[in-house]
Amino acid sequence: DADVTQTPRNRITKTGKRIMLECSQTKGHDRMYWYRQDPGLGLRLIYYSFDVKDINKGEISDGYSVSRQAQAKFSLSLESAIPNQTALYFCATSDSTGFSYEQYFGPGTRLTVT
Amino acid sequence: AQSVTQPDIHITVSEGASLELRCNYSYGATPYLFWYVQSPGQGLQLLLKYFSGDTLVQGIKGFEAEFKRSQSSFNLRKPSVHWSDAAEYFCAVVPNAGNNRKLIWGLGTSLAVNP
Repeated sequence: DADVTQTPRNRITKTGKRIMLECSQTKGHDRMYWYRQDPGLGLRLIYYSFDVKDINKGEISDGYSVSRQAQAKFSLSLESAIPNQTALYFCATSDSTGFSYEQYFGPGTRLTVT
Repeated sequence: AQSVTQPDIHITVSEGASLELRCNYSYGATPYLFWYVQSPGQGLQLLLKYFSGDTLVQGIKGFEAEFKRSQSSFNLRKPSVHWSDAAEYFCAVVPNAGNNRKLIWGLGTSLAVNP
């Protein structure tokens, strides 16, 4: 089974709808991240959480919110979806212990807002 | 401004040819350095990383990268490319101070492999 899972894998929604993307991990990591990927723009950080009670905005948090329901679960919400939020969304995890710093990624959610 | 640069947006090589993907960073102290690969329709997978020590690091899938402090570079290499190496490649760094140890990403290099 995958260590980092994302649901749904694909989603088409209409402008103005609320949508939630979910991420779960079995790696036991304390840190979790949400990114979006757009062609030519690389990966941009939306939100990150260093533990259940520590949530931080990334570089493009406007229009998004998150919830860290447990150490293993980190959800991303679009309160009122708009077409320019059409993108590929990735969840990632990392372990703050030691000095590894590398992040482990889920398979991504392709979101289309019409 | 602190940044990670991948100068090549797209690269096309023939199968069996050698490959070098460039990555430069602009941090004063040597950061922690990473290369990730994203195959079509998939998430990102760590290829290799450099923290300290030997400046030539070996990764998965036959890739290696060399850290050159004088050039602030961490270029990815493979002696003989396979068709399955066609993918997007991302260089990333963790600055050695501050930034809460988050990854700073390059914009990626798209690799196409001709048969």
